[in-house]
Amino acid sequence: TQLLEQSPQFLSIQEGENLTVYCNSSSVFSSLQWYRQEPGEGPVLLVTVVTGGEVKKLKRLTFQFGDARKDSSLHITAAQPGDTGLYLCDNNFNKFYFGSGTKLNVKP
Amino acid sequence: DAGVIQSPRHEVTEMGQEVTLRCKPISGHNSLFWYRQTMMRGLELLIYFNNNVPIDDSGMPEDRFSAKMPNASFSTLKIQPSEPRDSAVYFCASSWGQRLPLHFGNGTRLTVT
Repeated sequence: TQLLEQSPQFLSIQEGENLTVYCNSSSVFSSLQWYRQEPGEGPVLLVTVVTGGEVKKLKRLTFQFGDARKDSSLHITAAQPGDTGLYLCDNNFNKFYFGSGTKLNVKP
Repeated sequence: DAGVIQSPRHEVTEMGQEVTLRCKPISGHNSLFWYRQTMMRGLELLIYFNNNVPIDDSGMPEDRFSAKMPNASFSTLKIQPSEPRDSAVYFCASSWGQRLPLHFGNGTRLTVT
């Protein structure tokens, strides 16, 4: 079993602040997906990272894959209330395990 | 593309009753997944199918849970008899292949009283 640990578990910030959330594993990822889940909806894919050291940007979101492919981070610049949701990572390996997620609340 | 369609959106039932949740995957997708989400345990994989065949059901909690996929466009998850601890949001997801990103439905919120 490839365990995924996400941190922090909860994050409440003001609009305009920056934040970073993390996804870590004891094993090497073959690839990693980040999803965002809004209340009352299913998770929606944000990005897939595959190569160690890879950086992908999606507007104000920056995703980084660790060089050793055992960790990943998601950085949000100038957070907005629309960023509120549960951020999940998935290792897409074998059994599609998800981390427990980071619940983000961005206050206006 | 209509996305993954789940029904019903909400289900309230009494303990001991049979519950059937339904899922229509995205047309052309050949893998289908059932997940359960609770505050305590997060998003748990229950079972997944590839080409309508169950591949891994090790996440199914117990014999009260069963899932079927009679064809490529329909799957059911059945709980019989239901118990209060089964209360959760149940998600269906589909993908093309077993290792590609998942497309989720909007879930069925099940409450067992």
